[in-house]
Amino acid sequence: KAGVTQTPRYLIKTRGQQVTLSCSPISGHRSVSWYQQTPGQGLQFLFEYFSETQRNKGNFPGRFSGRQFSNSRSEMNVSTLELGDSALYLCASSLEQDREQYFGPGTRLTVT
Amino acid sequence: QQQVKQSPQSLIVQKGGISIINCAYENTAFDYFPWYQQFPGKGPALLIAIRPDVSEKKEGRFTISFNKSAKQFSLHIMDSQPGDSATYFCAAILTGGGNKLTFGTGTQLKVEL
Repeated sequence: KAGVTQTPRYLIKTRGQQVTLSCSPISGHRSVSWYQQTPGQGLQFLFEYFSETQRNKGNFPGRFSGRQFSNSRSEMNVSTLELGDSALYLCASSLEQDREQYFGPGTRLTVT
Repeated sequence: QQQVKQSPQSLIVQKGGISIINCAYENTAFDYFPWYQQFPGKGPALLIAIRPDVSEKKEGRFTISFNKSAKQFSLHIMDSQPGDSATYFCAAILTGGGNKLTFGTGTQLKVEL
């Protein structure tokens, strides 16, 4: 069974630009969550989607948004990028009633 | 209330020894406690998880000990190997909180020969 895939793996953007990251969950998984990982703040929850609906949201500004499609694939968007948005963005998926979450390899975003 | 505190920040263990990482929480509404292992350049990988109605869970060389009254849980890695050198994160999920993981700050483990 294929794992969680994230594209792109690496991204370099300029301050003020916007970016879209993609996540394909494990087949059959309908819950997709996003996390930001930085050396200073550690792993922080961004949001969770289940059946195309946002079920949970972390404490991030409105510049961070996401969505989920009918095939459970998810995208997250960051608008008006700031230097502090440089991070590893991780996606995790799980089955409907299962707390076990499986992470993808992440997208390394660098904002210059 | 929403935090999970993890210690130590870093740990050096000799090959064959026992690695112990501790976590503590305040919010008694947490009801699921997983541990993740992360290698450089990789996403976190689920190692083992426990619910508060169980005091211990073992999978291979990895054991979670859970103390509900003290609101603490720990990961024990028996017979530690150099391949176990990684960063370990404890986490917790709230009852009714969907799948939102609240992570500890991580422990960098190095297993020396």
